Amino acid sequence: KAGVTQTPRYLIKTRGQQVTLSCSPISGHRSVSWYQQTPGQGLQFLFEYFSETQRNKGNFPGRFSGRQFSNSRSEMNVSTLELGDSALYLCASSLNFGMNTEAFFGQGTRLTVV
Amino acid sequence: ILNVEQSPQSLHVQEGDSTNFTCSFPSSNFYALHWYRWETAKSPEALFVMTLNGDEKKKGRISATLNTKEGYSYLYIKGSQPEDSATYLCAFDGAGNMLTFGGGTRLMVKP
Repeated sequence: KAGVTQTPRYLIKTRGQQVTLSCSPISGHRSVSWYQQTPGQGLQFLFEYFSETQRNKGNFPGRFSGRQFSNSRSEMNVSTLELGDSALYLCASSLNFGMNTEAFFGQGTRLTVV
Repeated sequence: ILNVEQSPQSLHVQEGDSTNFTCSFPSSNFYALHWYRWETAKSPEALFVMTLNGDEKKKGRISATLNTKEGYSYLYIKGSQPEDSATYLCAFDGAGNMLTFGGGTRLMVKP
């Protein structure tokens, strides 16, 4: 069974640009969550999608957005990039929404903003 | 803002030692407590998802306990091996799939 796939693995962007990251969940999983990891803040929740609907959103500015397609693949977009957006972005997929659900993580996309 | 704390931040042990870490989390609005192992350059790997007060789970040499009333969980590793070296993360789920992670405990096991 293929795991969670994130593309690209590495990305370098310039301040002010925008970026789109992609996440393909495990086949059959309907929930996709996104997390940001920075050295100072640890892993922080961005948002979660279930059946193409955003169910939860973390405390991030509106520059961070996402969507989920009918095949459960998800994308997140960051507009007007800032240096502080440099981070590892992880996505996780779960079978369903709700408690007692194990989340499986991808290897992440490392974004560097220069 | 939810407060999920892990201690210690890092730990060096000798091969064969047993060790344990602590995760403290809010005792209200509890859905689940997750434990992950994260090795360098790999994806975080789920160890346990715990939902019931008093829950005890075990996977090989690793086990975990949960106390939702007082808001803490312990992770135990018996007879540590070098391959156990990783960062161990706990995550509090208070809203269903919205995980708040602790800062992690970085374990280094010396051969």
